[in-house]
Amino acid sequence: ETGVTQTPRHLVMGMTNKKSLKCEQHLGHNAMYWYKQSAKKPLELMFVYNFKEQTENNSVPSRFSPECPNSSHLFLHLHTLQPEDSALYLCASSQSSGFTDTQYFGPGTRLTVL
Amino acid sequence: GDSVTQMEGPVTLSEEAFLTINCTYTATGYPSLFWYVQYPGEGLQLLLKATKADDKGSNKGFEATYRKETTSFHLEKGSVQVSDSAVYFCALIGDDKIIFGKGTRLHILP
Repeated sequence: ETGVTQTPRHLVMGMTNKKSLKCEQHLGHNAMYWYKQSAKKPLELMFVYNFKEQTENNSVPSRFSPECPNSSHLFLHLHTLQPEDSALYLCASSQSSGFTDTQYFGPGTRLTVL
Repeated sequence: GDSVTQMEGPVTLSEEAFLTINCTYTATGYPSLFWYVQYPGEGLQLLLKATKADDKGSNKGFEATYRKETTSFHLEKGSVQVSDSAVYFCALIGDDKIIFGKGTRLHILP
Protein backbone atom coordinates (compact mmCIF):
# COMPACT_ATOMS: atom_id res chain seq x y z
CA GLU A 1 0.00 0.00 0.00
CA THR A 2 1.18 3.48 -0.68
CA GLY A 3 0.23 6.93 0.46
CA VAL A 4 -2.30 7.60 3.15
CA THR A 5 -5.10 5.14 3.86
CA GLN A 6 -8.17 5.59 6.01
CA THR A 7 -10.65 3.08 7.39
CA PRO A 8 -13.53 2.77 7.38
CA ARG A 9 -14.52 4.72 4.29
CA HIS A 10 -18.08 5.09 5.50
CA LEU A 11 -19.48 4.99 9.04
CA VAL A 12 -22.98 5.42 10.38
CA MET A 13 -23.35 5.70 14.14
CA GLY A 14 -25.90 6.66 16.73
CA MET A 15 -25.32 9.43 19.21
CA THR A 16 -24.60 6.97 22.02
CA ASN A 17 -22.13 4.82 20.10
CA LYS A 18 -18.36 4.72 20.44
CA LYS A 19 -16.34 4.25 17.27
CA SER A 20 -12.84 4.94 15.99
CA LEU A 21 -11.42 6.18 12.71
CA LYS A 22 -8.04 4.91 11.61
CA CYS A 23 -5.40 6.52 9.45
CA GLU A 24 -2.15 5.00 8.28
CA GLN A 25 0.59 6.62 6.24
CA HIS A 26 3.24 4.70 4.32
CA LEU A 27 5.35 7.71 3.38
CA GLY A 28 7.79 7.83 6.27
CA HIS A 29 6.39 11.17 7.41
CA ASN A 30 6.63 12.55 10.92
CA ALA A 31 3.54 14.75 11.08
CA MET A 32 -0.11 13.72 10.85
CA TYR A 33 -3.32 15.73 10.82
CA TRP A 34 -7.06 15.34 11.22
CA TYR A 35 -9.37 17.63 9.24
CA LYS A 36 -13.15 17.96 9.14
CA GLN A 37 -14.79 18.69 5.80
CA SER A 38 -18.41 19.83 6.01
CA ALA A 39 -20.61 20.85 3.12
CA LYS A 40 -20.29 24.51 2.15
CA LYS A 41 -17.67 25.22 4.83
CA PRO A 42 -13.91 25.54 4.61
CA LEU A 43 -11.82 22.56 5.56
CA GLU A 44 -11.24 22.71 9.31
CA LEU A 45 -8.00 21.59 10.88
CA MET A 46 -8.74 19.61 14.06
CA PHE A 47 -5.49 18.14 15.37
CA VAL A 48 -1.80 18.05 14.50
CA TYR A 49 0.70 15.47 15.68
CA ASN A 50 4.44 15.73 15.20
CA PHE A 51 6.63 12.78 16.17
CA LYS A 52 3.62 11.31 18.05
CA GLU A 53 3.16 14.44 20.13
CA GLN A 54 0.06 16.57 19.77
CA THR A 55 1.10 20.05 18.74
CA GLU A 56 -2.24 21.57 17.89
CA ASN A 57 -5.84 21.22 19.00
CA ASN A 58 -8.13 23.72 17.35
CA SER A 59 -10.72 23.94 20.13
CA VAL A 60 -12.18 20.58 19.18
CA PRO A 61 -14.92 19.25 21.50
CA SER A 62 -13.81 16.51 23.85
CA ARG A 63 -16.17 13.99 22.20
CA PHE A 64 -13.37 13.75 19.61
CA SER A 65 -10.28 12.12 21.08
CA PRO A 66 -7.18 11.62 18.93
CA GLU A 67 -4.48 9.06 19.49
CA CYS A 68 -1.11 8.73 17.77
CA PRO A 69 0.72 5.59 18.92
CA ASN A 70 3.52 6.04 16.37
CA SER A 71 4.40 8.26 13.43
CA SER A 72 2.60 5.99 10.97
CA HIS A 73 -0.77 5.63 12.67
CA LEU A 74 -3.38 8.11 13.79
CA PHE A 75 -6.76 7.39 15.32
CA LEU A 76 -9.79 9.52 16.05
CA HIS A 77 -11.96 8.09 18.80
CA LEU A 78 -15.58 9.19 18.71
CA HIS A 79 -18.17 9.09 21.48
CA THR A 80 -21.55 10.71 22.13
CA LEU A 81 -21.43 12.59 18.85
CA GLN A 82 -24.07 14.99 17.59
CA PRO A 83 -25.79 15.01 14.18
CA GLU A 84 -23.87 18.18 13.28
CA ASP A 85 -20.66 16.13 13.53
CA SER A 86 -21.66 14.35 10.33
CA ALA A 87 -18.96 15.19 7.80
CA LEU A 88 -16.03 13.83 5.83
CA TYR A 89 -13.02 13.35 8.11
CA LEU A 90 -9.72 13.60 6.32
CA CYS A 91 -6.34 12.48 7.53
CA ALA A 92 -3.13 13.92 6.12
CA SER A 93 0.59 13.55 6.67
CA SER A 94 3.68 15.55 5.86
CA GLN A 95 7.40 15.20 6.36
CA SER A 96 7.31 17.66 9.24
CA SER A 97 4.74 19.90 10.86
CA GLY A 98 4.72 23.68 10.60
CA PHE A 99 2.76 23.43 7.35
CA THR A 100 5.70 24.25 5.08
CA ASP A 101 5.89 20.69 3.76
CA THR A 102 3.36 19.33 1.29
CA GLN A 103 0.52 17.49 2.97
CA TYR A 104 -0.68 14.20 1.52
CA PHE A 105 -4.32 13.39 2.16
CA GLY A 106 -6.18 10.15 2.59
CA PRO A 107 -9.55 9.53 0.90
CA GLY A 108 -11.49 10.31 4.04
CA THR A 109 -14.12 8.64 6.19
CA ARG A 110 -17.69 9.72 5.51
CA LEU A 111 -19.34 9.87 8.95
CA THR A 112 -23.08 10.05 9.48
CA VAL A 113 -24.41 10.55 13.00
CA LEU A 114 -28.06 9.63 13.45
CA GLY B 1 -7.39 37.09 11.02
CA ASP B 2 -6.16 35.47 7.85
CA SER B 3 -8.76 34.28 5.36
CA VAL B 4 -9.25 32.84 1.89
CA THR B 5 -12.19 33.65 -0.37
CA GLN B 6 -12.86 31.75 -3.55
CA MET B 7 -15.67 31.98 -6.05
CA GLU B 8 -18.85 30.11 -5.35
CA GLY B 9 -19.58 27.13 -7.49
CA PRO B 10 -20.53 25.06 -9.17
CA VAL B 11 -18.77 26.16 -12.32
CA THR B 12 -19.94 24.35 -15.45
CA LEU B 13 -17.93 24.52 -18.67
CA SER B 14 -17.72 22.67 -21.93
CA GLU B 15 -14.64 20.66 -22.77
CA GLU B 16 -11.77 22.77 -24.19
CA ALA B 17 -13.13 25.97 -22.60
CA PHE B 18 -10.88 28.38 -20.72
CA LEU B 19 -11.08 28.12 -16.94
CA THR B 20 -10.60 30.74 -14.24
CA ILE B 21 -11.38 30.12 -10.59
CA ASN B 22 -10.85 33.23 -8.50
CA CYS B 23 -9.13 33.21 -5.14
CA THR B 24 -8.30 36.19 -2.96
CA TYR B 25 -6.77 36.25 0.48
CA THR B 26 -6.15 38.42 3.49
CA ALA B 27 -3.07 37.77 5.55
CA THR B 28 -0.54 39.43 7.78
CA GLY B 29 2.98 38.78 6.70
CA TYR B 30 3.91 36.82 3.59
CA PRO B 31 1.92 33.61 3.23
CA SER B 32 2.50 30.75 0.83
CA LEU B 33 -0.44 30.03 -1.48
CA PHE B 34 -1.75 26.71 -2.71
CA TRP B 35 -4.35 25.09 -4.91
CA TYR B 36 -5.58 21.64 -3.97
CA VAL B 37 -7.89 19.41 -6.03
CA GLN B 38 -10.29 16.77 -4.74
CA TYR B 39 -11.54 14.23 -7.25
CA PRO B 40 -14.74 12.33 -6.44
CA GLY B 41 -14.25 9.84 -3.62
CA GLU B 42 -10.67 10.89 -2.96
CA GLY B 43 -8.73 13.08 -0.58
CA LEU B 44 -7.17 16.41 -1.47
CA GLN B 45 -4.11 16.49 -3.71
CA LEU B 46 -1.72 19.39 -4.01
CA LEU B 47 -2.12 20.85 -7.51
CA LEU B 48 0.33 23.75 -7.39
CA LYS B 49 1.84 26.30 -5.06
CA ALA B 50 3.68 29.60 -4.91
CA THR B 51 5.74 30.77 -1.98
CA LYS B 52 6.40 34.44 -2.77
CA ALA B 53 5.02 37.35 -4.72
CA ASP B 54 5.12 37.05 -8.53
CA ASP B 55 5.84 33.32 -8.36
CA LYS B 56 3.84 31.24 -10.80
CA GLY B 57 2.84 27.71 -9.86
CA SER B 58 1.95 25.29 -12.62
CA ASN B 59 0.98 21.64 -12.97
CA LYS B 60 -1.11 19.54 -15.38
CA GLY B 61 -1.83 22.60 -17.53
CA PHE B 62 -3.08 24.64 -14.57
CA GLU B 63 -1.38 27.88 -13.57
CA ALA B 64 -1.73 30.45 -10.81
CA THR B 65 0.34 33.57 -10.13
CA TYR B 66 0.87 35.01 -6.64
CA ARG B 67 -0.24 38.63 -6.97
CA LYS B 68 0.60 40.60 -3.86
CA GLU B 69 -0.80 43.87 -5.19
CA THR B 70 -4.25 42.37 -5.68
CA THR B 71 -3.89 39.69 -2.94
CA SER B 72 -4.99 37.08 -5.45
CA PHE B 73 -4.03 33.62 -6.63
CA HIS B 74 -6.46 32.83 -9.43
CA LEU B 75 -6.37 29.36 -10.98
CA GLU B 76 -6.38 29.16 -14.79
CA LYS B 77 -6.30 26.49 -17.46
CA GLY B 78 -6.41 27.14 -21.17
CA SER B 79 -8.38 24.07 -22.25
CA VAL B 80 -10.23 21.96 -19.70
CA GLN B 81 -11.03 18.27 -20.01
CA VAL B 82 -13.83 16.15 -18.59
CA SER B 83 -11.26 14.59 -16.26
CA ASP B 84 -10.73 18.00 -14.62
CA SER B 85 -14.16 17.75 -13.00
CA ALA B 86 -13.45 18.00 -9.28
CA VAL B 87 -13.55 20.38 -6.32
CA TYR B 88 -10.75 22.93 -6.19
CA PHE B 89 -9.54 24.48 -2.93
CA CYS B 90 -7.42 27.57 -2.53
CA ALA B 91 -5.35 27.68 0.66
CA LEU B 92 -2.76 29.78 2.39
CA ILE B 93 -0.11 28.95 4.93
CA GLY B 94 1.04 31.73 7.20
CA ASP B 95 1.96 32.19 10.84
CA ASP B 96 2.25 28.43 11.19
CA LYS B 97 -1.36 27.71 10.25
CA ILE B 98 -3.15 26.59 7.12
CA ILE B 99 -6.44 28.13 5.99
CA PHE B 100 -8.60 26.73 3.20
CA GLY B 101 -11.27 28.32 1.09
CA LYS B 102 -14.70 26.69 0.86
CA GLY B 103 -13.92 25.00 -2.42
CA THR B 104 -15.27 25.43 -5.95
CA ARG B 105 -16.93 22.51 -7.68
CA LEU B 106 -16.08 22.28 -11.38
CA HIS B 107 -18.19 20.32 -13.89
CA ILE B 108 -16.82 19.82 -17.39
CA LEU B 109 -19.32 18.70 -20.02
CA PRO B 110 -18.16 16.60 -22.97
